[in-house]
Amino acid sequence: AQKVTQTQTSISVMEKTTVTMDCVYETQDSSYFLFWYKQTASGEIVFLIRQDSYKKENATVGHYSLNFQKPKSSIGLIITATQIEDSAVYFCAMREGMPNYNVLYFGSGTKLTVEP
Amino acid sequence: GPKVLQIPSHQIIDMGQMVTLNCDPVSNHLYFYWYKQILGQQMEFLVNFYNGKVMEKSKLFKDQFSVERPDGSYFTLKIQPTALEDSAVYFCASSFASSNSDYTFGSGTRLLVI
Repeated sequence: AQKVTQTQTSISVMEKTTVTMDCVYETQDSSYFLFWYKQTASGEIVFLIRQDSYKKENATVGHYSLNFQKPKSSIGLIITATQIEDSAVYFCAMREGMPNYNVLYFGSGTKLTVEP
Repeated sequence: GPKVLQIPSHQIIDMGQMVTLNCDPVSNHLYFYWYKQILGQQMEFLVNFYNGKVMEKSKLFKDQFSVERPDGSYFTLKIQPTALEDSAVYFCASSFASSNSDYTFGSGTRLLVI
């Protein structure tokens, strides 16, 4: 079974708008870490933002923020004031506790296209 | 910021031959990883390595795969012999610690087995 699921295959938005990308995860651990990465057209993978499961506040970094809904096992990524260069594939990922605490489980990705 | 370097960026190899993918992790990082991404799909965990040992590996990490990091050199993924289904992009990553550390990924090695 998939541990991390991204149901949106692709999204297209206009520049300067706000977009939300969905991600749900599955874990039995009480402590885990959730990440969002983006993969650019060149293939480079860039870390964007992290949410620790024990933190109630939603993480925010620059124009990225998270909508962490723990009861729903959901971690949405919100990008405000989107720019053309935000066009990329966005991956949600999760890291659990022992014994596989060094394994990052990735979702299948959401391709974001930001149009002028 | 600090980078993970992967060499080569592209490799074409005949099926059955051996290939070695090289990774130069971030200098103070202690944990090293390989992930495999088939075109257009998600990245899948292969193996992680710490203190000279494989810590965890997935079912994708077949017997033909091996990893090592001899002192002061690259963290390598060796496939011997290669198979057609090994064609993919292989990403190396490193992290400082194992808890909530962020990974730093390399740019990947595109391997084509023909």
